[in-house]
Amino acid sequence: DVKVTQSSRYLVKRTGEKVFLECVQDMDHENMFWYRQDPGLGLRLIYFSYDVKMKEKGDIPEGYSVSREKKERFSLILESASTNQTSMYLCASSFLRSGRQNRKKPYNEQFFGPGTRLTVL
Amino acid sequence: QQPVQSPQAVILREGEDAVINCSSSKALYSVHWYRQKHGEAPVFLMILLKGGEQKGHEKISASFNEKKQQSSLYLTASQLSYSGTYFCGTERVGAAGNKLTFGGGTRVLVKP
Repeated sequence: DVKVTQSSRYLVKRTGEKVFLECVQDMDHENMFWYRQDPGLGLRLIYFSYDVKMKEKGDIPEGYSVSREKKERFSLILESASTNQTSMYLCASSFLRSGRQNRKKPYNEQFFGPGTRLTVL
Repeated sequence: QQPVQSPQAVILREGEDAVINCSSSKALYSVHWYRQKHGEAPVFLMILLKGGEQKGHEKISASFNEKKQQSSLYLTASQLSYSGTYFCGTERVGAAGNKLTFGGGTRVLVKP
């Protein structure tokens, strides 16, 4: 059974703290993604990675960084948490598209983790 | 740029039909549909890759009109289990690589 796990379901931090959100997948997927989900705004991509040590900015990367040292693990880092980063954070993973499609076309079916609800006070 | 989903919310009685639309202002490579039940992670429904293509998942089907840059999701003879928020994701080809952007979601509530 495919699985994407996230380190915490709920997290409360103070403004200015450094925050680490961890995501692990056990499906040997090449691609991993971090989204934030806010009411009415849907899922917005923060960063994605298509290989170890590789990362690409998504639509809203400001205030975030990521790390992918191992294939199965993708970390989201809030260098200095702010109240406007209070949100639900979802991690996802997928296989890279096969065939002639290259690494810049990663969008196969994505498997999502349960999410981390982060509150920054 | 996020695709626009309509309606934002819909309430159905069990057995009724509904249509969710997803429109983009840009040319699309593909459209993805996901469903998220309350308190759960989004779950993949289908990807539509070709213009005019239709696909199905249970009694949920979708179409993709490449020329109109839009996709529609059809909930036929809805069941209680169809309740949730449906997201479309539109994939566009870019010079720096393809990009998938999700819409704001459509909340569906199916009542007995």
